[in-house]
Amino acid sequence: QKEVEQDPGPLSVPEGAIVSLNCTYSNSAFQYFMWYRQYSRKGPELLMYTYSSGNKEDGRFTAQVDKSSKYISLFIRDSQPSDSATYLCASYSGGGADGLTFGKGTHLIIQP
Amino acid sequence: GAVVSQHPSWVICKSGTSVKIECRSLDFQATTMFWYRQFPKQSLMLMATSNEGSKATYEQGVEKDKFLINHASLTLSTLTVTSAHPEDSSFYICSARDWWSGYGYTFGSGTRLTVV
Repeated sequence: QKEVEQDPGPLSVPEGAIVSLNCTYSNSAFQYFMWYRQYSRKGPELLMYTYSSGNKEDGRFTAQVDKSSKYISLFIRDSQPSDSATYLCASYSGGGADGLTFGKGTHLIIQP
Repeated sequence: GAVVSQHPSWVICKSGTSVKIECRSLDFQATTMFWYRQFPKQSLMLMATSNEGSKATYEQGVEKDKFLINHASLTLSTLTVTSAHPEDSSFYICSARDWWSGYGYTFGSGTRLTVV
């Protein structure tokens, strides 16, 4: 079992809809949770960063972490065609030399 | 914000040759750098972790003699794919971390390697 599971999609929604992206993880040591956006053939771009359980909001984006259920979510409000990309969740335990463990990424398509 | 520059963005090489990919942190000192590989429609898989001045730590299944990593300074790490084969064709991405800025995982723009 992969440590971070994510539905690869594709997920297609109309412009203006609220998008919900989700991941589950199995490693109880994970403390830090990130969401990245990746356009085709580009490096990942950090969207949101959360420590432990809770919510974090930044503009149209809201990240949620529920450590009790090992569930990570990203919500996008008022979705735009420019939001079309692959969204990757990632986690790590917090050790300084730890690389990130990524989910497979969800391909999101926002239809104009 | 922190910027990581990765070069080249794409490269085509012949089987049996070696290819070097550079990763530079432009405005911060990267005490730790990470190298990932990503196959089409797959996730980023960590290949190795390098700390400045130390030998790299490779993930299980990654051949250290094939993927040579050098982290000679706080702003530069290189990945050399030696004796490349078509199965090494992939998207390679580096990430740099600055211990003192907290979170600090910044990614390069990636290098698409095609071995023919």
